[in-house]
Amino acid sequence: DAGITQSPRHKVTETGTPVTLRCHQTENHRYMYWYRQDPGHGLRLIHYSYGVKDTDKGEVSDGYSVSRSKTEDFLLTLESATSSQTSVYFCAISGLSNEQFFGPGTRLTVL
Amino acid sequence: ILNVEQSPQSLHVQEGDSTNFTCSFPSSNFYALHWYRWETAKSPEALFVMTLNGDEKKKGRISATLNTKEGYSYLYIKGSQPEDSATYLCASLNSGGYQKVTFGIGTKLQVIP
Repeated sequence: DAGITQSPRHKVTETGTPVTLRCHQTENHRYMYWYRQDPGHGLRLIHYSYGVKDTDKGEVSDGYSVSRSKTEDFLLTLESATSSQTSVYFCAISGLSNEQFFGPGTRLTVL
Repeated sequence: ILNVEQSPQSLHVQEGDSTNFTCSFPSSNFYALHWYRWETAKSPEALFVMTLNGDEKKKGRISATLNTKEGYSYLYIKGSQPEDSATYLCASLNSGGYQKVTFGIGTKLQVIP
């Protein structure tokens, strides 16, 4: 295991409510990533972080924000959840050869 | 090629058959190519990291080749077994960024006993 946990693992929420997903790593890695996985699209990068307080947008960042106040935690926030944000969310860190190590995933349903 | 493309999207093979699938990626500013194995209800796990043109990597019955000049990689599975059933993802990493990885949508392999 690469020492990555995600919480919660499952969440059902209603349209318009804020949601925060947490990714926690014990590996002291600099780079952390949030992806979403949808049928027909594979894994798409939402946001990533290259250090504490250093973040940047991925290809599907609209409607999402992130924060990284310490090395081990990377938070993904949906300010006002929409049904189109129903998805499985994966957090990842990158290894020595830039390969991605993934967390177990969070299944989010927005009703 | 602007995106990472994989083919076929899915295939079914009989146990014992060998199979292969393709990953095409942008060849400009190439840095690395990754292959991942993704079993149902689990997270993707890295199989190979490939960086040099002509690279060949092998892990058991699974091997991969890389052509960075033309922008493609092949994944081969020899003597497929039911436990090989999974989605195989490839991902391209280009130089000059903050290690952003672009994934293909994967090839879903089903090995029929």
